[in-house]
Amino acid sequence: GENVEQHPSTLSVQEGDSAVIKCTYSDSASNYFPWYKQELGKRPQLIIDIRSNVGEKKDQRIAVTLNKTAKHFSLHITETQPEDSAVYFCAARWGQNFVFGPGTRLSVLP
Amino acid sequence: DAGVIQSPRHEVTEMGQEVTLRCKPISGHDYLFWYRQTMMRGLELLIYFNNNVPIDDSGMPEDRFSAKMPNASFSTLKIQPSEPRDSAVYFCASSKSGGFMEQYFGPGTRLTVT
Repeated sequence: GENVEQHPSTLSVQEGDSAVIKCTYSDSASNYFPWYKQELGKRPQLIIDIRSNVGEKKDQRIAVTLNKTAKHFSLHITETQPEDSAVYFCAARWGQNFVFGPGTRLSVLP
Repeated sequence: DAGVIQSPRHEVTEMGQEVTLRCKPISGHDYLFWYRQTMMRGLELLIYFNNNVPIDDSGMPEDRFSAKMPNASFSTLKIQPSEPRDSAVYFCASSKSGGFMEQYFGPGTRLTVT
């Protein structure tokens, strides 16, 4: 089956700096890769996604890149703000289901 | 649309009691997923349904857990008897077939078994 790894598990950055979270997947048949943000005590919310026929997608301060050959994808957050502090999960669609990474706890320090 | 609705939001029960968690998916979504989230194990898929039919229940931890979806707008996850190690946040999510099936999560039920 599909396996998704995510690094780092924790990340601290200064406000205004950039943050990068990386994920790898194992099944080359996976074709859709969403990213979820989960604030403390709240539900995971979809923030951006990328499809296997696209190499990069950007939405304001967040962007996601995909390298199908290497089977890895990354989330980039620029000009980080305190409200970006949360746990971020990557996922890979596998068949009709999604396999989630273990999460990255991002702390943006003022 | 109100999004995925779950109830109760919090549940505290004693070991050995039966617990029932409820979920209403987004109208028009034909997939429904139950997840369990803990610090130790992260987000775990327990079971998912398509058109009210269970497709994969391999994530259900043991026979104490059961899930049903009697119609397109309602699903339950039952734990009987409950144990302290079942304490977790249980999320329900739904998605729509066709396209890339983005999943939308409910607010979760925080279960504490004492």
